[in-house]
This record gives sequence, C-alpha cells and structure tokens, in this order.
Amino acid sequence: EVVLTQSPGTLSLSPGERATLSCRASQRINSDYLAWYQQKPGQAPRLLIYAASSRATGIPDRFSGGGSGTHFTLTISRLEPEDIAVYYCQQYDSRGFTFGPGTKVDIK
Amino acid sequence: EVQLAESGGGLMRPGGSLTLSCTASGFTFNDAWMSWVRQAPGKGLEWVGRIKSKTKGGTTDYAAPVRGRFTISRDDSQNTLYLQMRRLKTEDTGVYYCTINTGYSSSWFDPWGQGTLVAVSS
Repeated sequence: EVVLTQSPGTLSLSPGERATLSCRASQRINSDYLAWYQQKPGQAPRLLIYAASSRATGIPDRFSGGGSGTHFTLTISRLEPEDIAVYYCQQYDSRGFTFGPGTKVDIK
Repeated sequence: EVQLAESGGGLMRPGGSLTLSCTASGFTFNDAWMSWVRQAPGKGLEWVGRIKSKTKGGTTDYAAPVRGRFTISRDDSQNTLYLQMRRLKTEDTGVYYCTINTGYSSSWFDPWGQGTLVAVSS
C-alpha cells in the first residue's frame, strides 16, 4: 500500500501570506491519480485539485498543485480567512485509495 | 445539481450489523462508480470500498480493515447505494460518506455527501 505523509501537521499564517503544503508518497505514484481535498470544520471534504495540478470546478485560482513522482505540493498563493480547513492529499493505485493524514491550516 | 444523501447511521453494539444508504440525484447513477469513505472522530479520511457500474461488471473492492465484514451494493432502479456492515467493531465508529469516483481511472472523489454517523460502543 502506498503511504502518504503530509507536512507540516499544522500551518499558522496571516491573511495574504503564501501557504505551501507537502505530500510525500512511500513510492512513486502516477500524477494523474493524485488529488487534494479541503475539509472545513463540520463539512464534507471538497475536491480542490485533481491529476496533481488541475483545479476542480469553482476552485479559486489562488489554489495550485504541483509535483511528481513521490513529492507533491498544494500552494495557496494568498491565504484568505475562509481557507481555514484541513487539507488532504489522496492517491489511487491498483490496490486502492489512500489518503494522507492531513495538514491543518490556521489563520494567525 | 448532483446530490448525495446518506442515511441509516446510529448507535450500535460491537458485533452488530447495520446498513447505510446513499440516495443519489442529478446525474446518471447507473453509469457511476461509487465509493464509501469514512472518518473516525477527530481523525483523517479512510477509503472503505468501491463498486463499479453494472456495465463495467458491478464489481467491488474493499479496504483491508473491512474486507469480509462490509458489503457494498447498488440498486440502479432506486438510484441508491448501500453499505452493509456486519461484525461491527468499535474502530468502525465514524462519519461515513458516499462519493462518486470520477476522473482518470475513476481515481478521485467528487462530490461527497454530507455523511452519516455510525457509533459502535458497548
């Protein structure tokens, strides 16, 4: 099974700052099968980024994804108060689907 | 608008059985591959299992912790997805979400229902 590790565990930034979230895989994965989700308190997760770098419908362009192989990133270019959430990466391979443990983003 | 509505959660004793339902609307349900994903209280997301469309065989895949205890099925005439849970354990406690597998090789999840809470406790 592919294990995903996310860092940092918590990120506290001021509004307008840039947030960079990391997702590392225990083995090389296909970028087409890497996604990111946002989960706000008390809500269901929402797809943000698919295929490592494509924004889902309705997602603001301050969110961007990148990376390949075993290291992927989610960047929020200018943090907004409504971006307070936990962000999860997720991958798919022949053995199924796995999620990272999440990065919590707080506003300082 | 795509909508997914889970129901059937509740408080159960260890060893018991429970069936969750997910009623879908706003898309062609019989063409969709569907998954269940759960979240223990205060924890992260865990994929439970997936069912393919009947035109692709209707086959199921499960995560190791639930294989042999949980069964996913679908009723395309009712636009409804099911999760039958047997031999429940305390570690099965959490919010259960149904979601659509979409994208390349149906490899990501979009959208998600609001979830239904299952609590397993003696």
